[in-house]
Parts: sequence; structure tokens; C-alpha cells
Amino acid sequence: DAKTTQPNSMESNEEEPVHLPCNHSTISGTDYIHWYRQLPSQGPEYVIHGLTSNVNNRMASLAIAEDRKSSTLILHRATLRDAAVYYCILRRPGSARQLTFGSGTQLTVLP
Amino acid sequence: DTEVTQTPKHLVMGMTNKKSLKCEQHMGHRAMYWYKQKAKKPPELMFVYSYEKLSINESVPSRFSPECPNSSLLNLHLHALQPEDSALYLCASSALTSGGGETQYFGPGTRLLVL
Repeated sequence: DAKTTQPNSMESNEEEPVHLPCNHSTISGTDYIHWYRQLPSQGPEYVIHGLTSNVNNRMASLAIAEDRKSSTLILHRATLRDAAVYYCILRRPGSARQLTFGSGTQLTVLP
Repeated sequence: DTEVTQTPKHLVMGMTNKKSLKCEQHMGHRAMYWYKQKAKKPPELMFVYSYEKLSINESVPSRFSPECPNSSLLNLHLHALQPEDSALYLCASSALTSGGGETQYFGPGTRLLVL
């Protein structure tokens, strides 16, 4: 799977939007962009995924650049419970099934 | 039910002990995974089972022995571990789909300390 690059850490104020960036300049045309997060002392949990179009679900929105070389996870109103490590992962159909985690972004939410 | 359960939550064992970690899911998923996560690091894959058969072993030492007795259960048998094996052991499952949108569901992990 292609490599992703994320900032090591970000801070946000509670109840403000958070934009978490991910660069994936070597993405192939069939790679899906997945986001998972890991809250303290828990296993990772799925957040959202997309291929080309922007996606929304109850947890977050995913904005994908037109050239697909970058994407942004958007938390519309950060809460203290959103403090976690956020991982951006590329998945290719038919490739190995495991998730290859990068170092992720540690999000701190300030009250 | 989208839950993956793992037992025990915590485990302390000596280097000569034999212990087992257990993972269970009832989502009908036919792929199950073991990951290992050291402190402040991302999870790393250990094993993948597809249709109860071992499909990937990421060159894991033989002191870790996985077992998939049925489609809902995954075990990790531990024997003669080293202190550096202390870590969080995560189990995950997923439906076997051909698309890239397949998502994995993780358990809370077993925190293992080897003395």
C-alpha cells in the first residue's frame, strides 16, 4: 500500500472544527482512503473512508483533493472525547487485507 | 452487534509460563487479525486468518502460536515469552469483500506484561 504522511500532533479547542490533513502523493487510482482513530487505552476504531468524492457520516467528514494526493478529515465540533491518535491509511482492492498504520496524528482537544 | 471482545484485559506472565489470549466476534466476519502495539507506536500486524486458515504470518517468532478454532473465535497461545514482548495485543475482524472499502473492527486489546 502507498505511504501516507501526517503531522505528528495537532491541538484544537473544544467545540471548534478540526481539520486533520493527510498527504498521499503516491496514491494509485484504485486506492481507498481510510481513517481510523485510537482513543487512549482502546483499540483503533473506524472513522470514515472514501475513494474520490467527499464523504460524510455521523462521526466526521472526509474531503478528498481533486488530484487525490491529499485528504482532510474534518471533525465539525471537537469534544474532549475526540482526543485520540488519528490514522490515515490507504487500502487497495485485492491487496493484502491488513491495515498498515503510519505514525498518525495525536489530536489534543483543549477545554 | 459490532463488537469484538478480548480476554483477558490484562495479563502478567513470567518467561516460563504458558498463557492464551482470546478474541471473539459474532458479526459473521471471515477474516480475523492479531496486531501488536508497543507503547507510543502504531499497531503492527502479526497474523491474518481468512476462512479459519492462516493466510499471513508476519515472521512472528514461534513463541506466539495463533489458532482459529471456528469462524467466531481467535486465540493467541503464548509460551516462553521475553520481556520485550510486553505490549498491547489487538484483535480485529472484517468481512471478506473484494473492494477497498472493507473496514476492520478492533477489540479493546489485552495488555500483556512479561516479567
